[in-house]
Amino acid sequence: GQQVMQIPQYQHVQEGEDFTTYCNSSTTLSNIQWYKQRPGGHPVFLIQLVKSGEVKKQKRLTFQFGEAKKNSSLHITATQTTDVGTYFCASNTNAGKSTFGDGTTLTVKP
Amino acid sequence: GAVVSQHPSWVICKSGTSVKIECRSLDFQATTMFWYRQFPKQSLMLMATSNEGSKATYEQGVEKDKFLINHASLTLSTLTVTSAHPEDSSFYICSASPRREVYNEQFFGPGTRLTVL
Repeated sequence: GQQVMQIPQYQHVQEGEDFTTYCNSSTTLSNIQWYKQRPGGHPVFLIQLVKSGEVKKQKRLTFQFGEAKKNSSLHITATQTTDVGTYFCASNTNAGKSTFGDGTTLTVKP
Repeated sequence: GAVVSQHPSWVICKSGTSVKIECRSLDFQATTMFWYRQFPKQSLMLMATSNEGSKATYEQGVEKDKFLINHASLTLSTLTVTSAHPEDSSFYICSASPRREVYNEQFFGPGTRLTVL
């Protein structure tokens, strides 16, 4: 079935540094969704990308969907301690279910 | 909008007992809800798709007799872990989407942390 691989698994940064997590698939994806899960919390929807080469921004977060629709990235500029958590990418199957990547856990040292 | 609640938020039970977890969409109707299981420091594992008015669709490897799902109305789905054992201890999360499109973002409940002694 459709799988999405996510790297890195963990990322430790100093506050103010940038952060990027990558999501890759061997097959063409219908869409990409990004979620954030704070420690002890539940996943919260951030954004969805559908079009090839699409780029969306939310304040310090930049989301990209590759031209071939096989990869995506989430970039955070100048991280803050509030950015800590695990970031998951996900993609919908034809049945409407979501396949989640393994997540990238971000820790930020103040 | 698009709020999903889950109850209880945590439960501790003895081995052999059954535990029911409720998932409610508070401000929208959901014909489909999803149940996930998440182990510490791991990703979300889809257990089953809960369909209102019909049987749930279980993922491969998930025992349907162990994890009973009932989608009684457009705003309520329940997951019952029957004869729970310590290996069933986990974080159970439900999700739903207010839209019926294929590319539907999911809104998650706060999760239920189950500990089986």
